[in-house]
Amino acid sequence: DQQVKQNSPSLSVQEGRISILNCDYTNSMFDYFLWYKKYPAEGPTFLISISSIKDKNEDGRFTVFLNKSAKHLSLHIVPSQPGDSAVYFCAASATGGSYIPTFGRGTSLIVHP
Amino acid sequence: KAGVTQTPRYLIKTRGQQVTLSCSPISGHRSVSWYQQTPGQGLQFLFEYFSETQRNKGNFPGRFSGRQFSNSRSEMNVSTLELGDSALYLCASSPGSEITDTQYFGPGTRLTVL
Repeated sequence: DQQVKQNSPSLSVQEGRISILNCDYTNSMFDYFLWYKKYPAEGPTFLISISSIKDKNEDGRFTVFLNKSAKHLSLHIVPSQPGDSAVYFCAASATGGSYIPTFGRGTSLIVHP
Repeated sequence: KAGVTQTPRYLIKTRGQQVTLSCSPISGHRSVSWYQQTPGQGLQFLFEYFSETQRNKGNFPGRFSGRQFSNSRSEMNVSTLELGDSALYLCASSPGSEITDTQYFGPGTRLTVL
């Protein structure tokens, strides 16, 4: 049973436009969320996180939005650049539970020049 | 600081054999987690070690085991390899004292079972 779902396996965007990657979760105990980016032949690298006490967190071109009532979060990349082409993983953890984040299956983002 | 290192980077084994993968965490990090990544399955958690003790365990068969040494380096062992064990095995380290600690991943070991 997937507790963290990334329903779009891939996304194609034009350079300069906005990329929106979506993530849904089912476990209401999750209260800390992360996004990781992964290039081929490399391990995932941390991108941005958000706690459930917030509904938005920004870091440069990257913004994560959290809608707790819908159990949904999204990652916005503005403007998108070709170097952003990678697989993006959403992850969630319960700060009152184990230390281990649960990952989604990833969304492959391709940014066309 | 040096990042997380994993050895070997690539490995080819045959069914029935066993394999040991190694992970050296970032200096000062006490938590090491192992994940299996297969196409379309995302990252599946195997286990986590903290200060030489297994603190968390995922839903994998007993053929998958691990250990952590006093210097926080960790090894993962898979016995009686099956074709389905072909995957990218990722190791991640973190300080391990807070649940919100960021995990830093190594480049992975690509295991192919023939």
